[in-house]
Amino acid sequence: GENVEQHPSTLSVQEGDSAVIKCTYSDSASNYFPWYKQELGKRPQLIIDIRSNVGEKKDQRIAVTLNKTAKHFSLHITETQPEDSAVYFCAASHGGVNTGTASKLTFGTGTRLQVTL
Amino acid sequence: DGGITQSPKYLFRKEGQNVTLSCEQNLNHDAMYWYRQDPGQGLRLIYYSQIVNDFQKGDIAEGYSVSREKKESFPLTVTSAQKNPTAFYLCASSTGQGYPYEQYFGPGTRLTVT
Repeated sequence: GENVEQHPSTLSVQEGDSAVIKCTYSDSASNYFPWYKQELGKRPQLIIDIRSNVGEKKDQRIAVTLNKTAKHFSLHITETQPEDSAVYFCAASHGGVNTGTASKLTFGTGTRLQVTL
Repeated sequence: DGGITQSPKYLFRKEGQNVTLSCEQNLNHDAMYWYRQDPGQGLRLIYYSQIVNDFQKGDIAEGYSVSREKKESFPLTVTSAQKNPTAFYLCASSTGQGYPYEQYFGPGTRLTVT
């Protein structure tokens, strides 16, 4: 099955700096890579996702890059703010039209990001 | 809050008792999922269901059971056979079969077994 590794496990940056979180996956058939943000005691919420037919996607201060050859993808947060402090999870999934399979996600172990003033 | 609810928020049980966690969604999603989250770990898939009256085991199904009698409901039973049941349980749903779609999560149930 799929295996997703995520690094680092903790990351501390100063407000205004950039943060980068990296994930690798093992299943070359994976074609969907979401990133979730989870605040303490709350539900995970999708912040950005990328599909295997593109190499990069941006949404304001957040971007994700995907290298299918190397089987890794990364989350980039620029101009970090205190409200970015949370645990971030990457995940990988594969599925396609007519496969009849639900979108099973395999998650990384999470990165605790702390943005200090 | 995304139309997916879980109850209760906190649940306490004695060892040896079965307990059922509720998950309801009004998003008209076909697929539903149960995950377990332990401190310092990611989410691990327990069971998932693509459609009513159908479900499959995930990566850690031992000691758990589910049913999917209605599209909007996917209850999870933690049985006494689950060796370490204390955890944060998250339910999710997505539009369904085929190409991967975003999963929406419920607020979670924190289960403590003593």
